[in-house]
Amino acid sequence: GAGVSQSPSNKVTEKGKDVELRCDPISGHTALYWYRQSLGQGLEFLIYFQGNSAPDKSGLPSDRFSAERTGGSVSTLTIQRTQQEDSAVYLCASSHGAYNEQFFGPGTRLTVL
Amino acid sequence: AQSVTQPDIHITVSEGASLELRCNYSYGATPYLFWYVQSPGQGLQLLLKYFSGDTLVQGIKGFEAEFKRSQSSFNLRKPSVHWSDAAEYFCAVGAGFGNEKLTFGTGTRLTIIP
Repeated sequence: GAGVSQSPSNKVTEKGKDVELRCDPISGHTALYWYRQSLGQGLEFLIYFQGNSAPDKSGLPSDRFSAERTGGSVSTLTIQRTQQEDSAVYLCASSHGAYNEQFFGPGTRLTVL
Repeated sequence: AQSVTQPDIHITVSEGASLELRCNYSYGATPYLFWYVQSPGQGLQLLLKYFSGDTLVQGIKGFEAEFKRSQSSFNLRKPSVHWSDAAEYFCAVGAGFGNEKLTFGTGTRLTIIP
């Protein structure tokens, strides 16, 4: 079956612009996660959804970052007023639920000029 | 809070040689442990996982890992590496119920020489 998909695969934006990153999880997966992978920080957890609720937002680095999930499926990560330090690969993962294997998407590479 | 240490940033091995990648974790209770592999330009793929039970776990692509509670380790092994194993390997720990996020190590980049 189809895996986790993310769009766009690459995004180049100017400092100060807003960006939206999309994640389509595997059908039927109730849990969805966002991570960020950057050279200086490695792989960092951002936010976790169970259904449409986000019980853990502890990894969001600032109030410029927000995420939502609708219909227990698609999720959007929004970064407002982007900064150069936001440049990274943003990875989405989904799973059947707690402690299960997380399936990762290919990521969105964000470059902020 | 949980943490993971992968002491080796980069390892080079000859094709056909054995491999061991080190992973140490910090967590107060029994952790959930994972090894993922990331090939260039690709997403993360799960190699194996440990939740409970037998401390030696088998994964895909001929990999195995052993959970050693006394050493807080979960080292990844392969008896004979193939050129296609060249990639970045990440160890991760999850705290389980009520805290489903994964905490990753910084990764070990594996280079295979002919």
